Amino acid sequence: GAVVSQHPSRVICKSGTSVKIECRSLDFQATTMFWYRQFPKQSLMLMATSNEGSKATYEQGVEKDKFLINHASLTLSTLTVTSAHPEDSSFYICSAPRDYNNEQFFGPGTRLTVL
Amino acid sequence: QQQVKQSPQSLIVQKGGISIINCAYENTAFDYFPWYQQFPGKGPALLIAIRPDVSEKKEGRFTISFNKSAKQFSLHIMDSQPGDSATYFCAAGDGSSNTGKLIFGQGTTLQVKP
Repeated sequence: GAVVSQHPSRVICKSGTSVKIECRSLDFQATTMFWYRQFPKQSLMLMATSNEGSKATYEQGVEKDKFLINHASLTLSTLTVTSAHPEDSSFYICSAPRDYNNEQFFGPGTRLTVL
Repeated sequence: QQQVKQSPQSLIVQKGGISIINCAYENTAFDYFPWYQQFPGKGPALLIAIRPDVSEKKEGRFTISFNKSAKQFSLHIMDSQPGDSATYFCAAGDGSSNTGKLIFGQGTTLQVKP
């Protein structure tokens, strides 16, 4: 299967700071990437669709000014959690479809803990 | 109409038994139905997927059964092993939307007892 990486795998930060998470497609180009959030023992919640060369599309209820997404190249999307607060602590996962048939490959996830 | 309902929430199976997880959907535009396996602290991994033109797909010990008229699909894990203990998510996608989005079920935590 295709490979998607995320960095960092874990991050601990103080309340009020910003954290950037990178998502890379290692062996294919992805014009679209997806960012999910997952709370313990819950399903994946789609936060936004990252589009290469254009603005991200956010799901209802997701604050675009808090979760900044940049898709600067065909292999890299970044999610920046701005002014993080303890309630932002979660498992953030990205995915990328390798082609246009919906088949998505997920990154290993980033565990964010905001103190 | 965009929901995918998954059951059961949790499942305990003895080693060697069959694990069955079910999903149901409403949107008839869905045309891609994958199953993902997720271990604690890891991202989901694509296990097997099916499209509506077939009623069954088998890959090793994993089989998807698809019932288009009932708008249901299920995952069967044959000869379940302790290493299969994980959370399983079904999902559905609408290829005609050109968004690539997947709608996920609520997840099933499978425990296979040795």
